[in-house]
Amino acid sequence: GQNIDQPTEMTATEGAIVQINCTYQTSGFNGLFWYQQHAGEAPTFLSYNVLDGLEEKGRFSSFLSRSKGYSYLLLKELQMKDSASYLCAVPPRANQAGTALIFGKGTTLSVSS
Amino acid sequence: EPEVTQTPSHQVTQMGQEVILRCVPISNHLYFYWYRQILGQKVEFLVSFYNNEISEKSEIFDDQFSVERPDGSNFTLKIRSTKLEDSAMYFCASRTGAEAFFGQGTRLTVV
Repeated sequence: GQNIDQPTEMTATEGAIVQINCTYQTSGFNGLFWYQQHAGEAPTFLSYNVLDGLEEKGRFSSFLSRSKGYSYLLLKELQMKDSASYLCAVPPRANQAGTALIFGKGTTLSVSS
Repeated sequence: EPEVTQTPSHQVTQMGQEVILRCVPISNHLYFYWYRQILGQKVEFLVSFYNNEISEKSEIFDDQFSVERPDGSNFTLKIRSTKLEDSAMYFCASRTGAEAFFGQGTRLTVV
């Protein structure tokens, strides 16, 4: 089965940097996803890591260590609009095209001025 | 920009009634999904659909649920006899590559 752990809540101030951690256990690995979800809205895709290392995309970066079952999402130059839930997700099965995502409970980030 | 559309945005139904939630996935996508999110809880996978058949389903997706792609554009989720605990936001998603695109959801309230 799958198990995904993330902190429940984090707080930060505008302009700061925050790192949201995710640990996971899967029966097979087929990549790790991060999604952003504002309250009452749909999840939107942020990043996908399948190889170890850091992937940078603007103010957001995502890191993966497959051997440690660990990922983090790094948000730089925080803005008020970054207040949202950040969802770590993995496919439940490796090597299956189109497999769905299993989501963690999400980390609710509150950015204050 | 192409998007996944869902209707209705809100649905209130009486316990025991049947509901059909509708989705129009992005036109060139191949894989379609339904997820649900009970208020304050995590996004949960229900079912995936590929090549006109169910490819995966979760334990939540029991005999009360069914999915259909009645034509080339629509993808529906039917709940045959709704229960109070079916109250949730239901999200449709579609994809071809790695990124799944989610619709804005249907908020289902069972009273």
